[in-house]
Amino acid sequence: DQQVKQNSPSLRVQEGRISILNCDYTNSMFDYFLWYKKYPAEGPTFLISISSIKDKNEDGRFTVFLNKSAKHLSLHIVPSQPGDSAVYFCAAEGTGNQFYFGTGTSLTVIP
Amino acid sequence: DAEITQSPRHKITETGRQVTLACHQTWNHNNMFWYRQDLGHGLRLIHYSYGVQDTNKGEVSDGYSVSRSNTEDLPLTLESAASSQTSVYFCASSVHRGLTDTQYFGPGTRLTVL
Repeated sequence: DQQVKQNSPSLRVQEGRISILNCDYTNSMFDYFLWYKKYPAEGPTFLISISSIKDKNEDGRFTVFLNKSAKHLSLHIVPSQPGDSAVYFCAAEGTGNQFYFGTGTSLTVIP
Repeated sequence: DAEITQSPRHKITETGRQVTLACHQTWNHNNMFWYRQDLGHGLRLIHYSYGVQDTNKGEVSDGYSVSRSNTEDLPLTLESAASSQTSVYFCASSVHRGLTDTQYFGPGTRLTVL
């Protein structure tokens, strides 16, 4: 049973606009969340993370929002650039540094 | 530069054969992980290790085994390959077992079982 879900398999956004990627989780024990970015034929690379003691974390163009009551997090990319086109995975950390990944959202930024 | 490597990058094998995928990291990380990536499932944890001689099963461990004889390597063995094990396999490592530790991934191995 998938504990971390990304319900949108794909997203297309115009360059310069905001990209919003969503993620839902079911386990209320999760309290650390991460976003990874993956290009074809490469391994995932860490993008940004957030602890449950926060509701927002920002790093340049990337901001992650966490709504614990809704068990929902989102990644905002502003402004979106063609180089952001990739598959984005959200992950939740369980006990012992075990990660539970979502199914991924493929973002295409159109020039 | 410290890094994490996987070999081979591509492998084709036949059903029933034993296959070993290599993972090597030079960061001296304690934790190492193996995942498989399949369409519709994301990345799923196969096995993991918190240190030398330590191994643990993940959520999809059936048909796979690992061993950790040193800090740098965690080879993944498919004892008798099945077509359902056709997938892309990723190795990852991290420093600590505790929370807030990022995992660093290798480039992946694409395995096809015919």
